[in-house]
Amino acid sequence: DAKTTQPNSMESNEEEPVHLPCNHSTISGTDYIHWYRQLPSQGPEYVIHGLTSNVNNRMASLAIAEDRKSSTLILHRATLRDAAVYYCILTNTGTASKLTFGTGTRLQVTL
Amino acid sequence: DVKVTQSSRYLVKRTGEKVFLECVQDMDHENMFWYRQDPGLGLRLIYFSYDVKMKEKGDIPEGYSVSREKKERFSLILESASTNQTSMYLCASSRLWDSASYEQYFGPGTRLTVT
Repeated sequence: DAKTTQPNSMESNEEEPVHLPCNHSTISGTDYIHWYRQLPSQGPEYVIHGLTSNVNNRMASLAIAEDRKSSTLILHRATLRDAAVYYCILTNTGTASKLTFGTGTRLQVTL
Repeated sequence: DVKVTQSSRYLVKRTGEKVFLECVQDMDHENMFWYRQDPGLGLRLIYFSYDVKMKEKGDIPEGYSVSREKKERFSLILESASTNQTSMYLCASSRLWDSASYEQYFGPGTRLTVT
C-alpha cells in the first residue's frame, strides 16, 4: 500500500490560513487522496478528497501537485474549532475503500 | 445528515466476558467498518463488511468476530475479552463496495475498558 508522510504537529493563529502538507511519493495512478480530521473525543470526520485536480468544498481546499507525489490541505481561515488531528490517506478501489490511518498532523490553533 | 450510532460511549467489562459492540447507520450504506484506536498506533481496521452476511478481515482481526444480519447494523464481538482489548472502538460506514472515492462516516466511538 502506498504510504503518506505528514508532520507530527503544526501551529496556527486564529483567522489565518493553514497549509497542511502530505507526501505520498509512491502513489499509484488510481489512488484517491482523502483527508479526514479528528476533533478531541470524537470519531474522524471526512474533510475532502481528490484524484488529480484541485478540489474545494465548504470546509477546505485540496491542492494536488502535478506529479501527485504530494498534496496540501488548505484551511482558509483557521478557527479554534479546527484544532484537531488531520489525516492524509490514500485509497484505491482494490482495497474496497478501506482507510489506513497514519499518525496524522496535530493542528493547534491559538488566539 | 448521515448518522452512525454506537450502542455505548463507555463500557467496562471483566476479563473473559463476551462483549458485543453495536453499530447502526441510517443511510443505507453498503460498507461498514470496525476500527480500534490506541495512542501512538492510530486507527487500525479490525473487520469490514460490504454486504449483509459478508465480512472481510482487516489488519488486526485476532480476538474479534463480527456479525451483519441487517444492512444497517454491524456488530463487533469480543468472544473472551482481554485487557489488551482495552481501547477506543470506532464504527464507520460508506457507500458502494468497490469505490475508493466515497467518504466514510464515523460514529462517536465506544471506549471499552477490560479489567
